[in-house]
Parts: sequence; C-alpha cells; structure tokens
Amino acid sequence: AQKITQTQPGMFVQEKEAVTLDCTYDTSDPSYGLFWYKQPSSGEMIFLIYQGSYDQQNATEGRYSLNFQKARKSANLVISASQLGDSAMYFCAMRAAGNKLTFGGGTRVLVKP
Amino acid sequence: SQTIHQWPATLVQPVGSPLSLECTVEGTSNPNLYWYRQAAGRGLQLLFYSVGIGQISSEVPQNLSASRPQDRQFILSSKKLLLSDSGFYLCAWSPLLRELNSPLHFGNGTRLTVT
Repeated sequence: AQKITQTQPGMFVQEKEAVTLDCTYDTSDPSYGLFWYKQPSSGEMIFLIYQGSYDQQNATEGRYSLNFQKARKSANLVISASQLGDSAMYFCAMRAAGNKLTFGGGTRVLVKP
Repeated sequence: SQTIHQWPATLVQPVGSPLSLECTVEGTSNPNLYWYRQAAGRGLQLLFYSVGIGQISSEVPQNLSASRPQDRQFILSSKKLLLSDSGFYLCAWSPLLRELNSPLHFGNGTRLTVT
C-alpha cells in the first residue's frame, strides 16, 4: 500500500522568504512518481511539480523546487521568494503501480506581508 | 488543449435525496477518469476511477456509485444521500498511457452540503 505523510498542518512564512514543506512517502514499488499540488481557497487543484523515482536531479519549476531524498523517502517542496499569492493548501501525492494518485493530508501556507 | 468541466459548482441537498454529479473532458480520447472527495481541511480521498467505458473501480465502500456512459463522461451518483456525504468532490483525468509522470488534471470541484 502507498502512503503519503505531511506532518505540518500549517505554516506561516514572511513574504519574499523561502519555505520548505515536508513530505514523506512509503511504497514497495521501485518505480513511482511524486507530485505537488496547490489548492487555493477557490478549491481548484493546480499541479506544481513532478519528481520521478529514477530522476538523478531534483526537479525545479520556476520558484518551486523539490528536495528529493530517496533513501529517506522524502520529497520536500521548497518555495523560494514567497508571494502573497502562494497562500494556499499544498498537497504531496504519489503515483506508483496502477493509475491512482494517493494524496497526503496537506499543509496550509499563509504568507505574511 | 484539454479541458475538464464539472458541474454543478455548489449543491445543497436534503438527506435521503438522490445525487448526480457530472464531469466531462474535452480535447483528449480514452482518458483515465477519477472521482475524489475532500472533507473540510483534509486531503483527497479517491472514490472511483475508470480506465474505459463501463469500467469502474471502487476504492471505498459507500452509498455512492459511478458510471462512465461515454468515453469522456464520468458521473457520480447516489440514490439516498447521507449527512456524511457532504464534502468537496473533484473530478480528474489523466492520459490513458500508464506513465508515472502524468499528473492528474482536476476540474473546479463541486461543494456538496447535505442538510
């Protein structure tokens, strides 16, 4: 069975600072993909970044980067230069064998001006 | 480009009433389709997924059901709603190819309140 754990229910971050959102996962499959989604208060789920289990380098997408530590089974999201619009729920998710995407419980980020 | 439509956006229904939520995808063929539910302030729970017309896999036993009458249409139903069915329902799609790097693309969701 696949499991995603996000231990930070909520975080405050000062505008323009960086923030790291923790994500640990558990799977017995050797091949898997890790995803981060952003959910603003409007409810839509916005795909941010992807990391494959065999990728040698950490994924980056603009201000988003993924700190992938395979041995520790962690895939932390780093948001650099936080903006007020980054205030949202952030979900870590994993896709292994099969078609299903399993989500963590989420972390709420509030960016302070 | 591909788009996903989900309606209605909000719904208030009494306990015991039926439910029908609809989701359609445009701009792609043979998508994988998914229904997720999100309780307030919580993560997403997979309810159903489908890899083709008439092919439905249920993840959580409950009083909900899903159907896929057409390739790009996915319907979530209930004959009698319970209070515990309240939540935010999200439809999603991904390409049929079983690529691990394919993200799911979500609709805007339906906020269901059962009273």
